[in-house]
Amino acid sequence: DGGITQSPKYLFRKEGQNVTLSCEQNLNHDAMYWYRQDPGQGLRLIYYSQIVNDFQKGDIAEGYSVSREKKESFPLTVTSAQKNPTAFYLCASKKSVTIYEQYFGPGTRLTVT
Amino acid sequence: AQSVAQPEDQVNVAEGNPLTVKCTYSVSGNPYLFWYVQYPNRGLQFLLKYITGDNLVKGSYGFEAEFNKSQTSFHLKKPSALVSDSALYFCAVRDNNAGNMLTFGGGTRLMVKP
Repeated sequence: DGGITQSPKYLFRKEGQNVTLSCEQNLNHDAMYWYRQDPGQGLRLIYYSQIVNDFQKGDIAEGYSVSREKKESFPLTVTSAQKNPTAFYLCASKKSVTIYEQYFGPGTRLTVT
Repeated sequence: AQSVAQPEDQVNVAEGNPLTVKCTYSVSGNPYLFWYVQYPNRGLQFLLKYITGDNLVKGSYGFEAEFNKSQTSFHLKKPSALVSDSALYFCAVRDNNAGNMLTFGGGTRLMVKP
């Protein structure tokens, strides 16, 4: 899992509450990503950021928000508007636009009841 | 648009036997291809990549992958499977129309039995 940390590992919330997932990297990578993984499924891109103070929506951004105020940090907020928030969330980073492989954090499993 | 297909949800193999996990792709332009492995409740770990050069790419943990342009495939292989290789494997392709993003396949679960 390299120099990417995600906290907490497990998170439980009541329906209707917003929750923020942390992602920090000490790899000096420019780009950072958030993915959602559901049981038996592949990864779906939520948001990504290629540079500080800039981010783009991925394939399933509705109900999520992000910020990129510092190069090393890319927190994800799961809002109450996200209809099915229970999932495994993975953060990734890569060094620059011209470097293709991404490196992943250990993930946060969010359960909303 | 780029796409990746992993046609097998699960692959079963006996320990010591060779293994193959299949991946086919569809891209415009030159394909940049990747394999990742995921152990339970963990993030994905990078195994190997094909950018250019030899069609046989060697990666971590004894894995290798064979790029076949005519068959648009990038199958993951290992000569002798270990029980500890049991995990979820993802193939990915660079989307060169979307800022070098990666598009992932749906994953293949590899089960190695003793």
